[in-house]
Amino acid sequence: NAGVTQTPKFRILKIGQSMTLQCAQDMNHNYMYWYRQDPGMGLKLIYYSVGAGITDKGEVPNGYNVSRSTTEDFPLRLELAAPSQTSVYFCASSYSLTDYNSPLHFGNGTRLTVT
Amino acid sequence: AQSVSQHNHHVILSEAASLELGCNYSYGGTVNLFWYVQYPGQHLQLLLKYFSGDPLVKGIKGFEAEFIKSKFSFNLRKPSVQWSDTAEYFCAAPPSGNTPLVFGKGTRLSVIA
Repeated sequence: NAGVTQTPKFRILKIGQSMTLQCAQDMNHNYMYWYRQDPGMGLKLIYYSVGAGITDKGEVPNGYNVSRSTTEDFPLRLELAAPSQTSVYFCASSYSLTDYNSPLHFGNGTRLTVT
Repeated sequence: AQSVSQHNHHVILSEAASLELGCNYSYGGTVNLFWYVQYPGQHLQLLLKYFSGDPLVKGIKGFEAEFIKSKFSFNLRKPSVQWSDTAEYFCAAPPSGNTPLVFGKGTRLSVIA
């Protein structure tokens, strides 16, 4: 049982390049999330999904896209990378959104630098 | 919508000192509050949570938090910190009843020998 797996762990992009951050979970969780973490700013929700085929915007969705074709996978796409997207990205999943006995399970993060 | 704020950015303590990290929330109906911890180089994990009932909540590793409704606070406490408690601590809450968690800005705790 691997939990939440994110790849890659590190990536350096040039301005204007695109890439996809991968996230997979093997806990059969319906709910998945992407957060970004910036120093002194905490975690900001980018997008989330309540099930396959359903996604919704979080606090900071601009510059990102997501898809959820399967329960297991929730990739995050950056189309035109900008320096403001330099951050650590965390994927998370949970069994429920409203049952708060269901904690968030986080991946180990992807550290992205855009130069 | 409920939000949380953490006012301590960086706290430095000696081993065995007592810890209290502040978290204030804005009232938005049903109160659900969480503390998550991120150890260096690791992902976030749940420390404790409050839904209802006893306002004093106990979590893992000797941590506890007290929900004080009159002060809109949910401060994290530990009587005696250890070097291994060095980490970043995040308070979190859902903005409304059916939404993902939003996190405070975090408090970095450094415990020195």
